Amino acid sequence: DAKTTQPPSMDCAEGRAANLPCNHSTISGNEYVYWYRQIHSQGPQYIIHGLKNNETNEMASLIITEDRKSSTLILPHATLRDTAVYYCIVRGYNAGNMLTFGGGTRLMVKP
Amino acid sequence: NAGVTQTPKFRILKIGQSMTLQCTQDMNHNYMYWYRQDPGMGLKLIYYSVGAGITDKGEVPNGYNVSRSTTEDFPLRLELAAPSQTSVYFCASRPQGGKDEQYFGPGTRLTVT
Repeated sequence: DAKTTQPPSMDCAEGRAANLPCNHSTISGNEYVYWYRQIHSQGPQYIIHGLKNNETNEMASLIITEDRKSSTLILPHATLRDTAVYYCIVRGYNAGNMLTFGGGTRLMVKP
Repeated sequence: NAGVTQTPKFRILKIGQSMTLQCTQDMNHNYMYWYRQDPGMGLKLIYYSVGAGITDKGEVPNGYNVSRSTTEDFPLRLELAAPSQTSVYFCASRPQGGKDEQYFGPGTRLTVT
C-alpha cells in the first residue's frame, strides 16, 4: 500500500471549515483513499473513502486531485466534537482488507 | 446491536503472566482484526481473520495468539506478558462487501509491570 504524509497537527475555529491534507504521491491505480478519525482514547471511526471521484457524506467531503497524488478531507462546519486525530490511509487489494494507520493529523477545533 | 464489545476495559499484568482479551461482535461480520496502539502512535495490526477457522498474522504478531472458532468471537491471547506489550488494544470487524468500513470496539488498556 502507498505511504501517506499528513501534517502532525492543525487548528480550526469552531464553525469554520476544516481542510485536512494528505499526500500519497506513490498511489497506484487500484488503491483507495480512506479517512478515519479517533476521538480521545476511543476506537477509530470511519469517515469516508474514495477512488478517484470526489465523495460526500453526512460527515465530510473527500476531494482527490486529478492525478490522485493528494487528497483533502473537508469538515464543512467544524465543532468542538470534531477535535480528534484524523488518519488518511491508502489501501489496495489485500486478502484481509487490512488498513495501515500512520501518525495522522491532530485537529484541534477552538471556540 | 451492541456492535463490537471488548473485555476487560483495563488490566494490569505482571511480567510473565498470561491473559486473554475478549472481542465479540453481533453484526455477523466475516472480517475481524486486532490492533495495538502505543502512546502517541497510530494503530498497528496484530492479527486478522477473514472468517471462522481462518486467521493470519498482521504487522506485529510476535507474543500473541488468536483463534476464531465462531463468527462472533475473536479472542487475543498473551502467553508471557512483557513490558513491551503495554498498550491499548482495539478489536474491529467489517462485513464482507458492503461499505468497506471497519467498526472498532472501545479498546482494552493493558499495563505490564
